[in-house]
Amino acid sequence: EAGVVQSPRYKIIEKKQPVAFWCNPISGHNTLYWYLQNLGQGPELLIRYENEEAVDDSQLPKDRFSAERLKGVDSTLKIQPAELGDSAVYLCASSLGAVTGELFFGEGSRLTVL
Amino acid sequence: DQQVKQNSPSLSVQEGRISILNCDYTNSMFDYFLWYKKYPAEGPTFLISISSIKDKNEDGRFTVFLNKSAKHLSLHIVPSQPGDSAVYFCAASDVQGAQKLVFGQGTRLTINP
Repeated sequence: EAGVVQSPRYKIIEKKQPVAFWCNPISGHNTLYWYLQNLGQGPELLIRYENEEAVDDSQLPKDRFSAERLKGVDSTLKIQPAELGDSAVYLCASSLGAVTGELFFGEGSRLTVL
Repeated sequence: DQQVKQNSPSLSVQEGRISILNCDYTNSMFDYFLWYKKYPAEGPTFLISISSIKDKNEDGRFTVFLNKSAKHLSLHIVPSQPGDSAVYFCAASDVQGAQKLVFGQGTRLTINP
């Protein structure tokens, strides 16, 4: 069974440029998460989807970040414009349901903003 | 405000000995706790969990202990193996499951041969 797939693995951009990350969760997983991981820190939740509905986006900086999960499967996280402080690893995870507790993470997308 | 704290950034243990990783939390509403393991350039993988109605949960070489009064949990790995070398994250939630996991900063465990 394929795991959570993310792309790109690495992205280097200049500040003020836009960037987008894509995530394909494990088949059948209704719950999808985007996490931010800064260097030396643990993952921090940005947004959680139940199917196509964003049920928790309280931690998403909505002035520059946006996310979508149009058909309840793949998801895209966008940053526009990127700032230097956005350099981090963006992790996507999925689970059968939010109550299971076990998240399956992708390998992450490492963003460097110059 | 760090609600989940792993105060040891790194830990080095001899192969075959016991590894003990510690985690403290401040939010008394947390009642579900998990440990994740992360290798370089990979995403974290689930290791073991415990709910607040228990004080111990065991899975093979891995045991998690929960002390609710001290708001402290620990992960014991016995015996430690070289493949256990990784970063370990403690995570907590105030509801059963993963609705809003709060992660600690991680502890890098190195198992020496």
